Amino acid sequence: AQSVTQLGSHVSVSEGALVLLRCNYSSSVPPYLFWYVQYPNQGLQLLLKYTSAATLVKGINGFEAEFKKSETSFHLTKPSAHMSDAAEYFCAVSAVDMRFGAGTRLTVKP
Amino acid sequence: DAGITQSPRHKVTETGTPVTLRCHQTENHRYMYWYRQDPGHGLRLIHYSYGVKDTDKGEVSDGYSVSRSKTEDFLLTLESATSSQTSVYFCAISDPPGQLNTGELFFGEGSRLTVL
Repeated sequence: AQSVTQLGSHVSVSEGALVLLRCNYSSSVPPYLFWYVQYPNQGLQLLLKYTSAATLVKGINGFEAEFKKSETSFHLTKPSAHMSDAAEYFCAVSAVDMRFGAGTRLTVKP
Repeated sequence: DAGITQSPRHKVTETGTPVTLRCHQTENHRYMYWYRQDPGHGLRLIHYSYGVKDTDKGEVSDGYSVSRSKTEDFLLTLESATSSQTSVYFCAISDPPGQLNTGELFFGEGSRLTVL
């Protein structure tokens, strides 16, 4: 069985500040891990994915995530937040099927 | 854009009425999924299909049925809608996860259902 826990349902940062969204996973087999972003009234879009090729994964819009097996974590970061980053972010794990975390809503203050 | 169309995009209905949501893809992906999205729960899998006429239950399948008579269409039916089924429903498609595929999902734009 696999599951995902996202720590913090809401995160607020100032424009230009570091973004850190936390994700911990549980999986009985080596997983694929994903971050998706959802803008208001839209579907989910893939931000980045971990497929075991490299532990540091770079995605779109300046986001990256690091897979840490010892910590069972896959946290999402961006060095400098932009107003357009305001959205809801979902971490997901895929082993047998795709399971999603509850989501983290990111607010960016001017 | 992965070529996924959901219809209707918005629907208001009354308790006890049947409702069918349609997902249509133009990408020829083998797997199709129905998720519901609710605050605090993220996305939860209702049903999925791994081929024409091949479907299976997800984690929240009670009260829902699905059908897939063609590769491109996956229907979600609520036989008798209840207020607890008020939600946003997302269709997704993928290739089967395996050595060459990560099972990455491509999502439709969602269907907002309100059951009064």
